Amino acid sequence: SQKIEQNSEALNIQEGKTATLTCNYTNYSPAYLQWYRQDPGRGPVFLLLIRENEKEKRKERLKVTFDTTLKQSLFHITASQPADSATYLCALAGRRALTFGSGTRLQVQP
Amino acid sequence: NAGVTQTPKFRILKIGQSMTLQCAQDMNHNYMYWYRQDPGMGLKLIYYSVGAGITDKGEVPNGYNVSRSTTEDFPLRLELAAPSQTSVYFCASSYRGRGDEKLFFGSGTQLSVL
Repeated sequence: SQKIEQNSEALNIQEGKTATLTCNYTNYSPAYLQWYRQDPGRGPVFLLLIRENEKEKRKERLKVTFDTTLKQSLFHITASQPADSATYLCALAGRRALTFGSGTRLQVQP
Repeated sequence: NAGVTQTPKFRILKIGQSMTLQCAQDMNHNYMYWYRQDPGMGLKLIYYSVGAGITDKGEVPNGYNVSRSTTEDFPLRLELAAPSQTSVYFCASSYRGRGDEKLFFGSGTQLSVL
């Protein structure tokens, strides 16, 4: 069956460092992969979309890579700030709609 | 622009009661979705709609019903509420449904069934 795996353990890093979050998937061949940010008590908010033929996508301090051979996406936040603390969800285009991973909680310590 | 609006924000139901979660969008989006999110879990698709009058089941449709009489509104109906339906419910919308565009989410409805 199709599966999306994100590290369920929280990631704690120091302010100013680069945070790297991982999204692995199996039994999928997605044409697109998306990343969302979710704050407590709020709905997810879109951050970045990357296509299968794109290796890397950047937006300000955010960078996403997409390796269809490894079936993995990495999400990087450079020069992290306490305001970046949130849960980050990856999502793959499925047959009917986006399918989401369970998310990784990022905590940036000042 | 209000975006996607969900009501209510919180609700407590007794087992066996029914209720309707409301969702409205003002972006003229064709596609609308209902997801549920359990603690520490990803969003699971309940139902979706590709336009007024057209709905289809998602991954976890049992115990729920939907209708789409207008482009703007996509209510989710719970009949005979059960404790297993305790969750946070999110409505979302997009113009197309090909996966190459972002979803806009509402702020969610937290539902407890006791």
